[in-house]
Amino acid sequence: AQSVTQLGSHVSVSEGALVLLRCNYSSSVPPYLFWYVQYPNQGLQLLLKYTTGATLVKGINGFEAEFKKSETSFHLTKPSAHMSDAAEYFCAVSESGFRGARQLTFGSGTQLTVLP
Amino acid sequence: GAGVSQSPSNKVTEKGKDVELRCDPISGHTALYWYRQSLGQGLEFLIYFQGNSAPDKSGLPSDRFSAERTGGSVSTLTIQRTQQEDSAVYLCASSLGLTGDTQYFGPGTRLTVL
Repeated sequence: AQSVTQLGSHVSVSEGALVLLRCNYSSSVPPYLFWYVQYPNQGLQLLLKYTTGATLVKGINGFEAEFKKSETSFHLTKPSAHMSDAAEYFCAVSESGFRGARQLTFGSGTQLTVLP
Repeated sequence: GAGVSQSPSNKVTEKGKDVELRCDPISGHTALYWYRQSLGQGLEFLIYFQGNSAPDKSGLPSDRFSAERTGGSVSTLTIQRTQQEDSAVYLCASSLGLTGDTQYFGPGTRLTVL
């Protein structure tokens, strides 16, 4: 079974500072990797995903992530934090399962706080 | 276009009662997933439907949980004889059913079992 580890359940950054949220995965086969964001009392919204091809993936709201196979990592970054980025972020991996099903296995989440 | 919708948004019930949670996927999406989000367990996969095929029930935590999907569209998750540990947010997602495609999530149903 695949798994996802997110280092740091809480991360605080100042407005305008670099955002770095860490994600490591374990997988015996090439994974599909996702970052989702969850605002209070809302569902999950996709930020970006890696399936195949270019390892640097750009997403919405200025976020990007790089798939590094040698490090089994898929860290999320944003050059300059904005107050509106405050939310919980989930890294997820999809695994091939029942008749090709791609259910998501999630990390435990990182709560991002942006300080003025 | 319309996203995934779920109802009710909040449900409070007493221990031992049965509850039904509803999910309307995005039109044209053949795959539908249920997940549970709780403080202790994080986000967990529950069940998966692909078209009219038999579902993958491998994530259901007990036989008190069941789900159906009528006509390949709307899905209902039923929890019988609810327990306090069933309190959680139940999220539904749908996708095109293709390898590596994006799952789009609904806003969830917050279930509280007293």
